[in-house]
Amino acid sequence: EPEVTQTPSHQVTQMGQEVILRCVPISNHLYFYWYRQILGQKVEFLVSFYNNEISEKSEIFDDQFSVERPDGSNFTLKIRSTKLEDSAMYFCASSERGLGEAFFGQGTRLTVV
Amino acid sequence: AQSVTQLDSQVPVFEEAPVELRCNYSSSVSVYLFWYVQYPNQGLQLLLKYLSGSTLVKGINGFEAEFNKSQTSFHLRKPSVHISDTAEYFCAVRRNRDDKIIFGKGTRLHILP
Repeated sequence: EPEVTQTPSHQVTQMGQEVILRCVPISNHLYFYWYRQILGQKVEFLVSFYNNEISEKSEIFDDQFSVERPDGSNFTLKIRSTKLEDSAMYFCASSERGLGEAFFGQGTRLTVV
Repeated sequence: AQSVTQLDSQVPVFEEAPVELRCNYSSSVSVYLFWYVQYPNQGLQLLLKYLSGSTLVKGINGFEAEFNKSQTSFHLRKPSVHISDTAEYFCAVRRNRDDKIIFGKGTRLHILP
């Protein structure tokens, strides 16, 4: 069964460093999303991406964040200068046009120290 | 704007007893509704979805949910829970089939032996 894969599963980084979280969406999907979940809290929408551009972003997704689809398979989330409060689980999701269901990856746990 | 309310942050229930996890949504337009499950230290897995048609939706692992438009609810039920159902359950809403998904705060299902 096709699945969304995320790497790494866990990343520890120092405050102020740049991190790139990687995702491989399901191959025929056209819509891509990033979410985050701070420990013990709700899953929050960060950004959606379609047709090689951002279609929507939340207030959380400020200038420190960027997304890219560098090739036909990867979808990345970059945090330019990490803060302690960026520590969270980050989920990538993808969906096929019009079908309504989004498939989520297993997540990357980011710890900023 | 859409929002999802899960009134119970935690629900304890004895093994083999029935359970209902409550979810209410607010939206000025038609919505698509979902329940996702997150097992400890894992990603988000779709339990079931309501896109259209029958208001009673059956999902995986014996779960079902009923869409009630007049009460703007989408409660999740299972007639007999097992210890393996221990997880966090998230109700979610989507404005259209490709839009971002908005999650509720989650309900932790705690199965008592």
